[in-house]
Amino acid sequence: AQTVTQSQPEMSVQEAETVTLSCTYDTSESDYYLFWYKQPPSRQMILVIRQEAYKQQNATENRFSVNFQKAAKSFSLKISDSQLGDAAMYFCAYRSAEETSGSRLTFGEGTQLTVNP
Amino acid sequence: KAGVTQTPRYLIKTRGQQVTLSCSPISGHRSVSWYQQTPGQGLQFLFEYFSETQRNKGNFPGRFSGRQFSNSRSEMNVSTLELGDSALYLCASSFSGPPYEQYFGPGTRLTVT
Repeated sequence: AQTVTQSQPEMSVQEAETVTLSCTYDTSESDYYLFWYKQPPSRQMILVIRQEAYKQQNATENRFSVNFQKAAKSFSLKISDSQLGDAAMYFCAYRSAEETSGSRLTFGEGTQLTVNP
Repeated sequence: KAGVTQTPRYLIKTRGQQVTLSCSPISGHRSVSWYQQTPGQGLQFLFEYFSETQRNKGNFPGRFSGRQFSNSRSEMNVSTLELGDSALYLCASSFSGPPYEQYFGPGTRLTVT
């Protein structure tokens, strides 16, 4: 079974600064998908960014980018120019590419990000 | 395009009762997954329905069940509620193919007293 670990329960960053959230995962599969989700106080889970394991290029979405290290099974999220609205719980998630796994996501424990003005 | 909707948003039930939660996916999405979120256990996968069939199931007791209708709407049922079932129940929908992104609803907050 796959596991996802987020070793930083809490992180804080100054507004306009850059912060990196860590995520490691364990799998024996070679093809899979990785995601970062954001959950603000409203509790609505919002997709931040996606990475396909077969792609070597790191995904970017505006101020959000990832550092995907497949061999190290590491998938960190970098938030540049942090804004107050980025304050939320961030979850790293794994999805197998195996057909039998369906759409099942395995989540990490989450990292609570605080943005200080 | 409308997002994933879940009803009701809040629910208070008594131990021993049963409850049914509803989820309407994004139009065109045929896969619906359910997750339970608690402070102690985090986010845990309950089950997934695709084309009215359960495609995958997490490690939850048989008191947790679900179904999907022909219009892809899904319901989950919890029978004989226990205090530990108090949680935020999240529903997510996705297309059946890549990139497999799941879009979540706002959740149903269930409190069992």
